Order: sequence, then C-alpha cells, then structure tokens
Amino acid sequence: QQQVKQSPQSLIVQKGGIPIINCAYENTAFDYFPWYQQFPGKGPALLIAIRPDVSEKKEGRFTISFNKSAKQFSLHIMDSQPGDSATYFCAANSYYRGSTLGRLYFGRGTQLTVWP
Amino acid sequence: DTGVSQDPRHKITKRGQNVTFRCDPISEHNRLYWYRQTLGQGPEFLTYFQNEAQLEKSRLLSDRFSAERPKGSFSTLEIQRTEQGDSAMYLCASSRQGSNQPQHFGDGTRLSIL
Repeated sequence: QQQVKQSPQSLIVQKGGIPIINCAYENTAFDYFPWYQQFPGKGPALLIAIRPDVSEKKEGRFTISFNKSAKQFSLHIMDSQPGDSATYFCAANSYYRGSTLGRLYFGRGTQLTVWP
Repeated sequence: DTGVSQDPRHKITKRGQNVTFRCDPISEHNRLYWYRQTLGQGPEFLTYFQNEAQLEKSRLLSDRFSAERPKGSFSTLEIQRTEQGDSAMYLCASSRQGSNQPQHFGDGTRLSIL
C-alpha cells in the first residue's frame, strides 16, 4: 500500500512555466515532508522540506504548499529551466520524542521535462 | 564536504551468487539508512542504523539480506543467493539524529542479476 501518493507521473512544460507536482497521504502521524530531485544515475538530492505547522515554504525557485486538513502538499517550480528536467519525489516520515523516525516513505516520482 | 560514498557503483553477477555493498556515510552522521529503488519507482526503505544498532527492518529485507554497521561508521549490505528480482539500485543515506535532520543520499550501487 502506497503511503504517499504522487501525481502526475510525468510532466512536460515550456521554459519559464510553473510545473506543479502533487502529493497526498493518509497517515496523520506524518509530520515531516521533504522533496527530493533525482537525475539519471545519481542518488536523490534534498530540495526543500516542510513541517505541518506552516502552510507554505519557499527556497529560491522552489515552493512547497501544504494543506494539513486535506493531507495534501505540492511542489511548485517557478521560472522552470531545462536544467530542472529530472525526477522529483515527495516523501514523508514521523517524529517520535523530538527526532525523526528512520524510514522515509516516498511517492512514485514525477518525471519533469522542461523544453527550451 | 564529503558526501555519502557507495561502492561499487555497479555490480553484475549471476543468479545464486552472494554480493556485498559498502556505504560510507557523512562522517558526523550517526544514522545510516538503506533503500532499494527499481526503475520508475521511488526508493523503498530496507533498514536503518543509529550508531551500530539496527533499529528498524522492513519486510522487504528477507532472510537473504543482512546489513551491518559494526563500528557505527561504514555499513555493509549483503545479499545471499541472489535472485532476478534483486536487480535494483541500492541506495544508502545518512543523517544526524534529531528534528529536521535531512537524509543525504549516495549515488547508489546498481545491481544486475544475469
């Protein structure tokens, strides 16, 4: 059973567009939500992460929007560039006694292509 | 800043053979994780260590899989009697313990079973 559901599976945008990737979860124990970017042949690299106590977080061109009541969160990439073409994964895990628990639950990924 | 290092990067072996992978975490990180990633999927958790203690194992980690972190530094993942279904990318990550401590991934070991 997929703990974190991610959509769309693939996404194609023109340079300068704003791709949006959505994720949803059911487990209310989740309280840490990172996004990772992965290029072919490389490991996932952390982009940005959010806790449920904020509704939005921005780092550079990347913005996470979080809707706690709907148990949904999304990644927006502003002014997308061809170099942003990669696979993006959302993930989630839980806290216990002030520390994140071990495992990250990943979505299935979104393959983003940005055309020049 | 030295990142997470995995060795080898690629491993090709015949079905039934044993293989061992190594992961060297970021030096000040006391947590180390193993994940498996198949084509078109997100990483799936296998196991993790805090220092030398193995704190959690996934049901994916069958009895043919064993992981160790004997001195709380590097870790090894061994697969015995490999099967076709073991073909995947094996990823290692490390982090500090505590809140908001991200997991940093290595570039993985790609295992191909002939």
